[in-house]
Amino acid sequence: DGGITQSPKYLFRKEGQNVTLSCEQNLNHDAMYWYRQDPGQGLRLIYYSQIVNDFQKGDIAEGYSVSREKKESFPLTVTSAQKNPTAFYLCASSMTRSGEKLFFGSGTQLSVL
Amino acid sequence: AQSVTQPDIHITVSEGASLELRCNYSYGATPYLFWYVQSPGQGLQLLLKYFSGDTLVQGIKGFEAEFKRSQSSFNLRKPSVHWSDAAEYFCAVAHSGGYNKLIFGAGTRLAVHP
Repeated sequence: DGGITQSPKYLFRKEGQNVTLSCEQNLNHDAMYWYRQDPGQGLRLIYYSQIVNDFQKGDIAEGYSVSREKKESFPLTVTSAQKNPTAFYLCASSMTRSGEKLFFGSGTQLSVL
Repeated sequence: AQSVTQPDIHITVSEGASLELRCNYSYGATPYLFWYVQSPGQGLQLLLKYFSGDTLVQGIKGFEAEFKRSQSSFNLRKPSVHWSDAAEYFCAVAHSGGYNKLIFGAGTRLAVHP
């Protein structure tokens, strides 16, 4: 089945540690996105990529980094500079670069030890 | 700046009752509007979208929404709610020139009583 796979489902980060969240899609979509979701808030865009080897900052990119070396993969690294990383992270993709319809993965819950 | 407001944080309805979830947006030009649904611990699924044309749009799972420019609203409705509709619902707005930067509302959590 085609879809978006995020792993792991749960992740714990120690103080000062960088952690990487995986996002893989087999939908052959051009664009991919990372959103952060906090309780009682809507989703906020961290980074997005419209084509391989190119990506743009969203509204809350500080403390995060991404890469897009392959069309199907868009990993997100939460760096030690992100002082409040506990949140639910959602990866999404869209068929066109305009993002008309987003397909979402099932998310990764990141918590700080 | 664009924004989306969902006035109701929690709504509880009885199974079989009608449902209306409110969404108000702030945007100068014609907005592109979306409703997404999220089951607990899961990603979001698109219910419906409005870009132009008929202001009443039909979506999946029996949902519909009506765009009212005069009220800056895009309320989601369903005539008869099923227990499986219990979830969180998000309204979102995007730039007309590009949908990359969706702005989401804070969501409305729907509970359904048997």
